[in-house]
Amino acid sequence: EAQVTQNPRYLITVTGKKLTVTCSQNMNHEYMSWYRQDPGLGLRQIYYSMNVEVTDKGDVPEGYKVSRKEKRNFPLILESPSPNQTSLYFCASSSGTYYEQYFGPGTRLTVT
Amino acid sequence: AQSVSQHNHHVILSEAASLELGCNYSYGGTVNLFWYVQYPGQHLQLLLKYFSGDPLVKGIKGFEAEFIKSKFSFNLRKPSVQWSDTAEYFCAVRPSNTGKLIFGQGTTLQVKP
Repeated sequence: EAQVTQNPRYLITVTGKKLTVTCSQNMNHEYMSWYRQDPGLGLRQIYYSMNVEVTDKGDVPEGYKVSRKEKRNFPLILESPSPNQTSLYFCASSSGTYYEQYFGPGTRLTVT
Repeated sequence: AQSVSQHNHHVILSEAASLELGCNYSYGGTVNLFWYVQYPGQHLQLLLKYFSGDPLVKGIKGFEAEFIKSKFSFNLRKPSVQWSDTAEYFCAVRPSNTGKLIFGQGTTLQVKP
């Protein structure tokens, strides 16, 4: 089944403790992206990747890192999480920027 | 900065009523336009998209949207809503030749049976 998977689905952590949210797709998509969803703000793009080893900032990249070492994976790294990064995070992928994005199930992160 | 604005944050309709959700964007160049839907507890999924050609596009589940370039708008419509259309709806814009995708704030639609 074609899908985008994210792990973990739920995470509660403390300020400053590094964490990684994984994202994997099995559709051989070139394009992958991370978003955060906050009430009243919709989805905001954090980072995106047009292909392996090619990443670029979205609208809210501060406090996040990404890497794209292989086509199927696009992990989101929070080196020193803070409470304002408490949010619902979505990973998405597509065949290219001209195609629709397929979204993962989301990761709900709480930073205390 | 590029932005997308959805005028209605929360809409309540009765079944069989007509729906129109507004979406405006601020970007002067060529864009691709999308409407996504998020049903309760589910992933975002694509309703419809516009890339070029006929500005009236049809999507899944009876939804359609019209791109009016002069008004920088891409409003979503459905002639007769059903209770199962209860969801959150997001308009999104991709400036051409970029990997960025800019979402609006979302509109929560509640359809009363």
